[in-house]
Amino acid sequence: GAVVSQHPSRVICKSGTSVKIECRSLDFQATTMFWYRQFPKQSLMLMATSNEGSKATYEQGVEKDKFLINHASLTLSTLTVTSAHPEDSSFYICSARNRDRGQENYGYTFGSGTRLTVV
Amino acid sequence: QKEVEQNSGPLSVPEGAIASLNCTYSDRVSQSFFWYRQYSGKSPELIMSIYSNGDKEDGRFTAQLNKASQYVSLLIRDSQPSDSATYLCAARNSGNTPLVFGKGTRLSVIA
Repeated sequence: GAVVSQHPSRVICKSGTSVKIECRSLDFQATTMFWYRQFPKQSLMLMATSNEGSKATYEQGVEKDKFLINHASLTLSTLTVTSAHPEDSSFYICSARNRDRGQENYGYTFGSGTRLTVV
Repeated sequence: QKEVEQNSGPLSVPEGAIASLNCTYSDRVSQSFFWYRQYSGKSPELIMSIYSNGDKEDGRFTAQLNKASQYVSLLIRDSQPSDSATYLCAARNSGNTPLVFGKGTRLSVIA
């Protein structure tokens, strides 16, 4: 089945540094990647939507200069948290839309998530 | 503002019982609905999807959709301790649109 490989699974970084999270679709072409963030005991909140070769569309309240998204190919999307601060500590999850699966119930595959802790 | 509402729980049921999870959504144009299970610290995994009114059964799981009432539910028969997790309800419109998630209901199945 469709697999999205997300790395790293866990990262601890110092305040002020940048962290890059990668999501790779292993056996399908991901035309669209959705990036979510989940705080403890909260639901998944959409941060941004990126289409291959285009600029990402950010949700209201999400700083595009802080959360840099690159979707340069159909198999790789990255999220870079720049100048990270403790309040950015969260669980980040990518979700890819499979171009080859047009059925409504099959279109999305989730990565395994990245636990970011900023100290 | 598109919203998906769930009771956060926790919902406790004894092993072997039926667990009933409910969800309402605000966007009438939502087309597809999903139930995901999420274990602590893990990514959500798809349990069921439904987009037509009525019931859809898959093993021990039954999803129910009522578009007139904007209501989605998930029944888990013969609940097992391994079913203990947070269940997320999600809705989406047609096309290239993201999933909108509810806050999730925490289910605890007591052995």
